[in-house]
Amino acid sequence: DQQVKQNSPSLSVQEGRISILNCDYTNSMFDYFLWYKKYPAEGPTFLISISSIKDKNEDGRFTVFLNKSAKHLSLHIVPSQPGDSAVYFCAANLGSGTYKYIFGTGTRLKVLA
Amino acid sequence: DAGVIQSPRHEVTEMGQEVTLRCKPISGHDYLFWYRQTMMRGLELLIYFNNNVPIDDSGMPEDRFSAKMPNASFSTLKIQPSEPRDSAVYFCASSFGGRNTEAFFGQGTRLTVV
Repeated sequence: DQQVKQNSPSLSVQEGRISILNCDYTNSMFDYFLWYKKYPAEGPTFLISISSIKDKNEDGRFTVFLNKSAKHLSLHIVPSQPGDSAVYFCAANLGSGTYKYIFGTGTRLKVLA
Repeated sequence: DAGVIQSPRHEVTEMGQEVTLRCKPISGHDYLFWYRQTMMRGLELLIYFNNNVPIDDSGMPEDRFSAKMPNASFSTLKIQPSEPRDSAVYFCASSFGGRNTEAFFGQGTRLTVV
């Protein structure tokens, strides 16, 4: 039972355009969300996060949107650059003191020059 | 700091053998996590420690898996006996402080059980 779903295994975008990566979750008790980026043969690196009390968080070219009613979050990258080509994971955390982050299966983004 | 260090980077072993994966967290971090990455399930949390104490091991798939953290600078994940379905990339990560903080990942150990 996958509580955090990234239904698009891959995405290709032209350089300079917007990349939109999507993530859906099933548990309404999740209250903190993160995005990680992973290059081949490396560990994931933290990108951006958002608390459930917000609906948007922005950091440079990266913006995460949270729609709690739809149990959906998305990561927007604009403008996309070839160096953004990587696998992106979203992760969600339950409240009540647990540190158990549930990760999605990842979306492979390819930015075409 | 060199970041989270995992060893070995690659491990190939025969079914039935014992496998030990090693992790050195970032100095000063008080949380340590072991994850497993597979194509089908993505990144799964196996176990995490806080101040060297195991807090949640509900993700450990079977009794064949065990993890220890004898001190703040070292942790091991052991599989005994190993099986082909254990083949995956295993990541160790560490973080400092409370729940809503980022975890720093090591480069992973690619395990192949033949």
